[in-house]
Amino acid sequence: AQSVTQPDIHITVSEGASLELRCNYSYGATPYLFWYVQSPGQGLQLLLKYFSGDTLVQGIKGFEAEFKRSQSSFNLRKPSVHWSDAAEYFCAVRASRSYKLIFGSGTRLLVRP
Amino acid sequence: NAGVMQNPRHLVRRRGQEARLRCSPMKGHSHVYWYRQLPEEGLKFMVYLQKENIIDESGMPKERFSAEFPKEGPSILRIQQVVRGDSAAYFCASSQTGQETQYFGPGTRLLVL
Repeated sequence: AQSVTQPDIHITVSEGASLELRCNYSYGATPYLFWYVQSPGQGLQLLLKYFSGDTLVQGIKGFEAEFKRSQSSFNLRKPSVHWSDAAEYFCAVRASRSYKLIFGSGTRLLVRP
Repeated sequence: NAGVMQNPRHLVRRRGQEARLRCSPMKGHSHVYWYRQLPEEGLKFMVYLQKENIIDESGMPKERFSAEFPKEGPSILRIQQVVRGDSAAYFCASSQTGQETQYFGPGTRLLVL
């Protein structure tokens, strides 16, 4: 069965510092991978997605993620965090021929001034 | 272009009442998905519908929950005889086809007293 693990429940970084949020998945073949962001009381906004091709994916708001098949990981990165990035981040996986998104439990990002 | 719309945004019900949650997909999208987010957890798939058809309801509790997506009008998630454990955020997503990216609405936060 597919599963997604986000090992960090909370992460706190200073504004301007770099950020990496971890995501590991379990799936037999190459899945489709997604990162969504959820601001307090809001819905989910798609940051980026990986289906195939270049393993470094660029997204909105200056985020990028790298797919590493050997490590079953799809970590999200940003070189310089802004206070407005404080939110909850969800990694999700979907089988290539499926429609069902499997979500991790999320990582809450706090940004120190 | 309007995104996925959900209403109401907040709903308070007493135990035993019925809750009706509505979702209007993005323009041009005919595939709708419902997910539930319990407090401090990621989203869990409930049901996948196309116009007038339920494609997959494997994530939906067998009793008290039902969903529909009529030919005209929004998709409806209906919860009968609500219990406190139904308190959660319910998100709707839509896509053009069953294997395209899902775009999420702002969610309906249900509180059962």
